[in-house]
Amino acid sequence: AQKVTQAQTEISVVEKEDVTLDCVYETRDTTYYLFWYKQPPSGELVFLIRRNSFDEQNEISGRYSWNFQKSTSSFNFTITASQVVDSAVYFCALSDYNNNDMRFGAGTRLTVKP
Amino acid sequence: GAVVSQHPSRVICKSGTSVKIECRSLDFQATTMFWYRQFPKQSLMLMATSNEGSKATYEQGVEKDKFLINHASLTLSTLTVTSAHPEDSSFYICSARDKGRLTYEQYFGPGTRLTVT
Repeated sequence: AQKVTQAQTEISVVEKEDVTLDCVYETRDTTYYLFWYKQPPSGELVFLIRRNSFDEQNEISGRYSWNFQKSTSSFNFTITASQVVDSAVYFCALSDYNNNDMRFGAGTRLTVKP
Repeated sequence: GAVVSQHPSRVICKSGTSVKIECRSLDFQATTMFWYRQFPKQSLMLMATSNEGSKATYEQGVEKDKFLINHASLTLSTLTVTSAHPEDSSFYICSARDKGRLTYEQYFGPGTRLTVT
């Protein structure tokens, strides 16, 4: 069975601080996809990144970076120099390689205070 | 590209009535669409997978007679909540998979907030 654990329910930081959101996953598949989504108060999911299980390279996109480590089954997300607009719920998700069975973590609510 | 719309964005209905939610892929064909439910401050839970022209596959614990799914075309899937009750109040999100893309990526709609009074 596929499972995603986001142990941090809520995180509060002050603007300009760096923050890391943890994601640990479980799967028996050898090929799979990992995702991060942002859900602002409006509710619409905003796609941030997709990573396949063969690609363990870390990725950086502006202030966002992702650390994928298969050895620890983790796919952590770091926001550098956080901003108030980063306040949202962030979901980590896991799907099989055909993207048929997407499972979401419980989400981490990030609040960035000015 | 890859835009998915949902209609309505918000709906309020009375207990016992039925409500239909539409999910459309606007610029691609979707052989497969997914329906998720999200209760307040909770995660998204997959309810069912619908394939164009065939019956939907429901996740364990989801009542197929209560949540009717119709995927009649490559760009439209509908979810009908029959005899709605207050406990059905939730945020319903659909996603669609692009038939033309090998990566099978899911594109999410903006969601429909259902309130049953």
